[in-house]
Amino acid sequence: AQTVTQSQPEMSVQEAETVTLSCTYDTSENNYYLFWYKQPPSRQMILVIRQEAYKQQNATENRFSVNFQKAAKSFSLKISDSQLGDTAMYFCAFMKPHNNAGNMLTFGGGTRLMVKP
Amino acid sequence: DSGVTQTPKHLITATGQRVTLRCSPRSGDLSVYWYQQSLDQGLQFLIQYYNGEERAKGNILERFSAQQFPDLHSELNLSSLELGDSALYFCASNTGGLNSPLHFGNGTRLTVT
Repeated sequence: AQTVTQSQPEMSVQEAETVTLSCTYDTSENNYYLFWYKQPPSRQMILVIRQEAYKQQNATENRFSVNFQKAAKSFSLKISDSQLGDTAMYFCAFMKPHNNAGNMLTFGGGTRLMVKP
Repeated sequence: DSGVTQTPKHLITATGQRVTLRCSPRSGDLSVYWYQQSLDQGLQFLIQYYNGEERAKGNILERFSAQQFPDLHSELNLSSLELGDSALYFCASNTGGLNSPLHFGNGTRLTVT
C-alpha cells in the first residue's frame, strides 16, 4: 500500500514571499501521479497542480511549482509571491492508475499554511 | 465550481439514526469516490464506484454502504450513527481514465449529537 507523509503540520509565510511545502511518499510502483490539493476555510477541495511520474520536467501552474525527485520519492510544492488567498490546508496526494476503474487518491495528513500580511 | 454536486450541505442527527448523502458527478464522469474527513485530519478513502459497479473499498465501516445508480449519481448510507461519525464527507468524480484527476464536491458536514 502507498503512504504519503507531510512532515510540516503548520507553516507561515509573509505576503509576497516564497514558501515550500514538503511531501514524501512510499511506493513500489514505477508509474503513478502526484497531486497537490488546496482546502481553504470554505473546506472545498481544489486541485492545485499535478505531476506524472514518467515526466522528468517539474510541473508549473502560475505561482505554483513542484520539485519532483522520483528517486528520493519527494514531491514538494513551491508557492511564489504568496497571497492572502493562499491561506489554506494543503494536501499532497498519490494516485496509482488503473485501467477502466478510475483511480483512488491516497492523501497525506496536510500542511496548514498561513499567509501573513 | 467543480461540477460535482453534493446534498445536503449540512446534516444534524442523533446517535443511532440513519442518513443518506447524495452525490451527482460531473457530466461525463463515470467514477465516483467517497472520502471522510474528520476534524483537522486528512481524507480517508471509503469506497469507489465505476459505472455502477463497486471498484475499490477503503476503510469503510460495515455500518456504511454506498451505491451508484444507472444515472451515475451515488448515495452513501450511514446507519447506527455514532458521535465519532461526525465528519465532512466528500464525493469526488473523474472519467475513470488513467490520468484523470479527481474533482471534489463541496462536501456534506455531518454532525451526530
